[in-house]
Amino acid sequence: SQQGEEDPQALSIQEGENATMNCSYKTSINNLQWYRQNSGRGLVHLILIRSNEREKHSGRLRVTLDTSKKSSSLLITASRAADTASYFCATGGYGQNFVFGPGTRLSVLP
Amino acid sequence: EAQVTQNPRYLITVTGKKLTVTCSQNMNHEYMSWYRQDPGLGLRQIYYSMNVEVTDKGDVPEGYKVSRKEKRNFPLILESPSPNQTSLYFCASRLQGGQETQYFGPGTRLLVL
Repeated sequence: SQQGEEDPQALSIQEGENATMNCSYKTSINNLQWYRQNSGRGLVHLILIRSNEREKHSGRLRVTLDTSKKSSSLLITASRAADTASYFCATGGYGQNFVFGPGTRLSVLP
Repeated sequence: EAQVTQNPRYLITVTGKKLTVTCSQNMNHEYMSWYRQDPGLGLRQIYYSMNVEVTDKGDVPEGYKVSRKEKRNFPLILESPSPNQTSLYFCASRLQGGQETQYFGPGTRLLVL
């Protein structure tokens, strides 16, 4: 069962612009996490937001969570070419497994 | 250095030939998990383990086995691989509890002919 669904599937922007990715999910969650994956490599954890939090910041990253709409967004400000990667949201339920969405492929053009 | 290691990183095999992909973590994490990643499908969980001798099925367990005899190791076993198991496999670990970050291995790219 696929829980998280990222939107858009692919995004191309110019260096310096902001990138926004969205994630929707279906069931109640304990927390939501965002990960980055460079082509064919392992996932790197970016940020975790708990179900009782609405917004969280980490450097150039800003994550929001709206549990009433079952959605989250990841904003990357002042993007760089090195931000080119796939971004995944993963929802942690009250059980023990995480469920990942299919990801958003971000391309930051110089 | 805290890390999750997987071996091998790349593997080409033939249908029906048993194989094992090893996973090891040095962070004393209780929870370990295997995922497969396929284009357009994201990561799907195969099996997970909450501690030694405790394993459970994820979303796509068919055709796979796991064992957790030691805390640090969580091998993935394909008893009779088939071409539809051609995929990129990731092992991950984290501390127990629902609020913890998962740490991922570098991935194993498997091709079953």
